[in-house]
Amino acid sequence: QSALTQPASVSGSPGQSTTISCTGTSSDVGGYKYVSWLQQHPGKAPKLIIYEVNNRPSGVSSRFSGSKSGDTASLTISGLQAEDEADYYCSSYTSSGTLVFGGGTKLTVL
Amino acid sequence: QVELAESGGGVVQPGGSLRLSCAASGFTFSSYAMFWVRQAPGKGLEWVALISHDGNNKYYADSVRGRFTTSRDNSKNTLYLQMNGLRGEDTAVYFCTRDRLHGSGTPDYWGQGTLVAVSS
Repeated sequence: QSALTQPASVSGSPGQSTTISCTGTSSDVGGYKYVSWLQQHPGKAPKLIIYEVNNRPSGVSSRFSGSKSGDTASLTISGLQAEDEADYYCSSYTSSGTLVFGGGTKLTVL
Repeated sequence: QVELAESGGGVVQPGGSLRLSCAASGFTFSSYAMFWVRQAPGKGLEWVALISHDGNNKYYADSVRGRFTTSRDNSKNTLYLQMNGLRGEDTAVYFCTRDRLHGSGTPDYWGQGTLVAVSS
């Protein structure tokens, strides 16, 4: 049950794009389409923004997109806005039938 | 709309017990698997437990197995987490969250969380 690997922090200027990676193994990220991304603002509950690698729930901006290659999933945020500043977590279904999260990435909008 | 509301958190001494509840509304509770996820102060998310839609299958993180037990009452639309033998490292905000699709491991809706503080 090792956590998925994410960079601790990323940053970008308003209007730019940024990408957050999430690396696991063939027993989680690489083995299933069930990779999700969550956004968490300080003091708030996490919010699902991407599910099944590249699907957005209703109401989530199209500026958020996901992809996966092998054991690594990625979240790309285009047209960065101040409101995007938050912590981002990836999660994946695992071969044990459970759930594993990444360590989280703090996005700073400069 | 889907709503999840945790309750039951508080301050407890090491070795003590606490039972958390999660009241669900706005969806057919009995059709969905549910997760417990926790977040220690200033730290990331940690999956704690999973219970199937009918309560027959339960899975636990290694860090809580043997001490925590999850259950559900589908007639009351309520999820529970019984926590025994609490340790300092169990201090966290505990969230309940719904699995979007059976067996997908996709936490789509989250409660606001309830804080558990283990301290003497």
